Amino acid sequence: DAKTTQPPSMDCAEGRAANLPCNHSTISGNEYVYWYRQIHSQGPQYIIHGLKNNETNEMASLIITEDRKSSTLILPHATLRDTAVYYCIVRVGHDYKLSFGAGTTVTVRA
Amino acid sequence: SQTIHQWPATLVQPVGSPLSLECTVEGTSNPNLYWYRQAAGRGLQLLFYSVGIGQISSEVPQNLSASRPQDRQFILSSKKLLLSDSGFYLCAWSAGTGSWNEQFFGPGTRLTVL
Repeated sequence: DAKTTQPPSMDCAEGRAANLPCNHSTISGNEYVYWYRQIHSQGPQYIIHGLKNNETNEMASLIITEDRKSSTLILPHATLRDTAVYYCIVRVGHDYKLSFGAGTTVTVRA
Repeated sequence: SQTIHQWPATLVQPVGSPLSLECTVEGTSNPNLYWYRQAAGRGLQLLFYSVGIGQISSEVPQNLSASRPQDRQFILSSKKLLLSDSGFYLCAWSAGTGSWNEQFFGPGTRLTVL
């Protein structure tokens, strides 16, 4: 699987949009971009995934650059409950294994 | 809707004691099931996965074993725990339709081996 690079931490004001970047310059054509998050002492939570088109669901939006070498997860209106470690992963769709790196620790402040 | 349960939530066990962690999934049939471990300050490590009853694949050689006695039940066991077995154990499921895209995790069991 391609490696991803994320900033180690970022702060966000409550009610504002949080934009989380991820670099995956070695991504191959059949690899998807996935985002998970893990709130302290809880299991990881699936957020969203995409291949090359931008995606949106009830939790977030995923913007993938045209060359697919980077992406941004957008939390449109961050709340205190969004404080968590966010993981960006790239993997092929049929790969059963998830592997998390260090992720980005997002702290939402009132 | 689908839900996944794990118990116990926390466990403190002495070295050399046995272990049994249970995971059950509701609201879906023939799921793919997974056991992961997350050691303190480290990433996620896949231990076992299963595509059906009695079908277990091991990712990492260790003193742990897994069993799937029923379609929606996944058990992680050990005959003798080691100090290095301490960690956060997570069960997950994904739709068993050939798509491995989305894995949904349970609340986890925090195991401390003393």
